[in-house]
Amino acid sequence: QKEVEQDPGPLSVPEGAIVSLNCTYSNSAFQYFMWYRQYSRKGPELLMYTYSSGNKEDGRFTAQVDKSSKYISLFIRDSQPSDSATYLCAMSASVDYGGSQGNLIFGKGTKLSVKP
Amino acid sequence: EPEVTQTPSHQVTQMGQEVILRCVPISNHLYFYWYRQILGQKVEFLVSFYNNEISEKSEIFDDQFSVERPDGSNFTLKIRSTKLEDSAMYFCASTRIRNNQPQHFGDGTRLSIL
Repeated sequence: QKEVEQDPGPLSVPEGAIVSLNCTYSNSAFQYFMWYRQYSRKGPELLMYTYSSGNKEDGRFTAQVDKSSKYISLFIRDSQPSDSATYLCAMSASVDYGGSQGNLIFGKGTKLSVKP
Repeated sequence: EPEVTQTPSHQVTQMGQEVILRCVPISNHLYFYWYRQILGQKVEFLVSFYNNEISEKSEIFDDQFSVERPDGSNFTLKIRSTKLEDSAMYFCASTRIRNNQPQHFGDGTRLSIL
């Protein structure tokens, strides 16, 4: 079983739609959960960062973590053409260096296209 | 907003040659990482670096790879004898040590081995 699974899409939605992106994982030691956005030929850009379970909202973006189901989600409300990108989930376990996170394990990314 | 910068943006090298990829992490960050992304595949962890030594490395990071922080600002990845399969995007990331801050990535170096 792969550590982090993410549907690669592509996902195409009309402008204004609510987008739901998801990842599942197998390692119960993961405690830090991130969503990155990656435009073509660019580096991953941090969108959301969550520690342990729960919800986090930032503008049009909401991240949810359900550790009991090993499932994380990113919701994008009122999607815009500028949201068209690849969305990467990433997660890590804690390491014993002052409580810092360890190396990130990424999903394969979901390619999102928002049509005007 | 401070950012991680990487140079060069694109490097073309003959197989068997040595390459050095450079990164300037965010200035108050203490943890540094290298990842790579082969075209169409996942971003994969290579190595983490803290307090002037390697903290953790993946199976990919074999004897052909090395990392160094030659001064107070640069963080480098060296590949001693490049292979065709080393062709990929290489990303540098950094994070602050305290309060479990997330990793911030540079825009990467595209390495093409001929």
